[in-house]
Amino acid sequence: GDSVTQMEGPVTLSEEAFLTINCTYTATGYPSLFWYVQYPGEGLQLLLKATKADDKGSNKGFEATYRKETTSFHLEKGSVQVSDSAVYFCALEGSYIPTFGRGTSLIVHP
Amino acid sequence: DAGVIQSPRHEVTEMGQEVTLRCKPISGHNSLFWYRQTMMRGLELLIYFNNNVPIDDSGMPEDRFSAKMPNASFSTLKIQPSEPRDSAVYFCASNVAGETYEQYFGPGTRLTVT
Repeated sequence: GDSVTQMEGPVTLSEEAFLTINCTYTATGYPSLFWYVQYPGEGLQLLLKATKADDKGSNKGFEATYRKETTSFHLEKGSVQVSDSAVYFCALEGSYIPTFGRGTSLIVHP
Repeated sequence: DAGVIQSPRHEVTEMGQEVTLRCKPISGHNSLFWYRQTMMRGLELLIYFNNNVPIDDSGMPEDRFSAKMPNASFSTLKIQPSEPRDSAVYFCASNVAGETYEQYFGPGTRLTVT
């Protein structure tokens, strides 16, 4: 079946550092790929998405590129802020029911 | 749009009691999902409805859990009897199946069973 593997956290960075959170997936067909963010005490919200190979999703300075050859969708940001501290979930959806990764906690210090 | 609405936001109950969690999806969405989130198990899909019909309930832990969707604007998740291991945050999410696939999550209900 489908699966998503994320790097384990927490990831701890200083403000303005470069962020990479790795995500790889296993799926049949050509799923859509997503990154969701969950702030403390809230539900998940969509951060960005890509629907086909080589697409780049971007939002709020975050980017991720759909790499079919490496089955990856790594999340990057050039300069993180304290307000980016949250849990980030990689997900795929190929047949109406999504598959989520375990989530990666990001902690950004001033 | 008000987004997905869940109630209550917090629920504390004693073991053995019945618990009912409620969800109102976004108007116009035809798919609804119930999830459970714990530190140990992460985010688990419990049940998925499409056009008010349960399509996949393979994630429902056991017979103590049941879910209904009597109409397009309301769903319930019931636990009877509740146990301490049911303590978790329960999320409801909705979307339009076959369109963008992205899910819209509610704020969650934090359930504590003592």
